[in-house]
Amino acid sequence: AQTVTQSQPEMSVQEAETVTLSCTYDTSESDYYLFWYKQPPSRQMILVIRQEAYKQQNATENRFSVNFQKAAKSFSLKISDSQLGDAAMYFCAYDGGSNYKLTFGKGTLLTVNP
Amino acid sequence: DTGVSQDPRHKITKRGQNVTFRCDPISEHNRLYWYRQTLGQGPEFLTYFQNEAQLEKSRLLSDRFSAERPKGSFSTLEIQRTEQGDSAMYLCATIGGARETQYFGPGTRLLVL
Repeated sequence: AQTVTQSQPEMSVQEAETVTLSCTYDTSESDYYLFWYKQPPSRQMILVIRQEAYKQQNATENRFSVNFQKAAKSFSLKISDSQLGDAAMYFCAYDGGSNYKLTFGKGTLLTVNP
Repeated sequence: DTGVSQDPRHKITKRGQNVTFRCDPISEHNRLYWYRQTLGQGPEFLTYFQNEAQLEKSRLLSDRFSAERPKGSFSTLEIQRTEQGDSAMYLCATIGGARETQYFGPGTRLLVL
């Protein structure tokens, strides 16, 4: 069974600084997708960034980028120029099956300090 | 707003009562997922529909849980004889095509007293 591990229950960063959230996963599949989702307090879960495993190039979305290391099964999220609105729970998720269901990590609570 | 709506947003019930939640997906999305999220945890997969067919159910989905998606549109999740352990956030997500992004609804937070 696939598992997703987020080893940092909480992280904090100063506004305008950079922070990296860690995620590792376990799978025997070769073709899969990885996601980072953001869940602000009492608000909807929204996609931050996605990575296709067959692509060697790391995905980037504005201030958000990933470091995807397929051999190491590692998928970290880097947030540059952190903003107060980035404060949220961040979930790493894996999609590798035929039904495209997501397997989530336990999440990392990010606090942004002004 | 992702375009996926859920109703109600909050539900408080007494143990032993039945509850039903509804999810309205983005209209062109044919795949619909239900997840359960307990406090301090990531969402866990419950069940999945492609159009009106329920194609997979998690072991988490006990006999007290039933889900439907009539006509491949909205979906309902019913919990019979609720237990305190059912207290959680129930999330609905939809997807339009293979390996596309799942769009989540705001969730229904259930509290069983």
